[in-house]
Amino acid sequence: DIQMTQFPSTLSASVGDRVTITCRASQTFTSWLAWYQQKPGKAPKLLIYKASTLESEVPSRFSGSESGTEFTLTISSLQPDDFATYYCQQYNTYPTFGQGTKVEIK
Amino acid sequence: QVQLVESGGGVVQPGRSRRLSCAASGFNFSGYGMHWVRQAPGKGPEWVAVIWFDGSNKYYADSVKGRFTISRDNTKNTVYLQMNSLRAEDTAVYYCARVYDRSGSAFLFDYWGQGTLVTVSS
Repeated sequence: DIQMTQFPSTLSASVGDRVTITCRASQTFTSWLAWYQQKPGKAPKLLIYKASTLESEVPSRFSGSESGTEFTLTISSLQPDDFATYYCQQYNTYPTFGQGTKVEIK
Repeated sequence: QVQLVESGGGVVQPGRSRRLSCAASGFNFSGYGMHWVRQAPGKGPEWVAVIWFDGSNKYYADSVKGRFTISRDNTKNTVYLQMNSLRAEDTAVYYCARVYDRSGSAFLFDYWGQGTLVTVSS
């Protein structure tokens, strides 16, 4: 199995801040990486797939990138609706998820 | 619009069985692979199983292999998860999710249901 290590586990930020979340894979694979947003009591929502492709209707302040075994989700200017938990997921093989990053209000 | 509605959750004793259902609507169900994904309280999601659009292939996570069975009925637009020999560590919200057809992979999800909670406890 490919293990995904996600960090930080918690991130305190203010509206307007630039926020970066990272996932590191236990082995190399190319681009089959997705990012989800989850709010309490709701199912995860797909934001980005193929490491950097924005899903339809997802705001452009969200972006993704990859470098080797590290994948990054960036929110360029945090909005009130963005306070949530974010998960990465690899789908190169049977899916595995990161442990999550909770973005909370500073 | 795409809708996935899970049912069948509840409290079940260790060692017993439970069957979950996921009713789909708003899309051509028989053309899509379907997954079950679970999420234990306070934890990240964990993939459980996938079934191909025509039921020809099924794959399972090691943690449930031999105990859980995924199946589907394309005449009823429903996917099932039969869970046997349940353990405390199977306690989770169980979601069904649709394969993201445009992604080029069978292991990415675009739509998820609202989930059904299974609690394994005596």
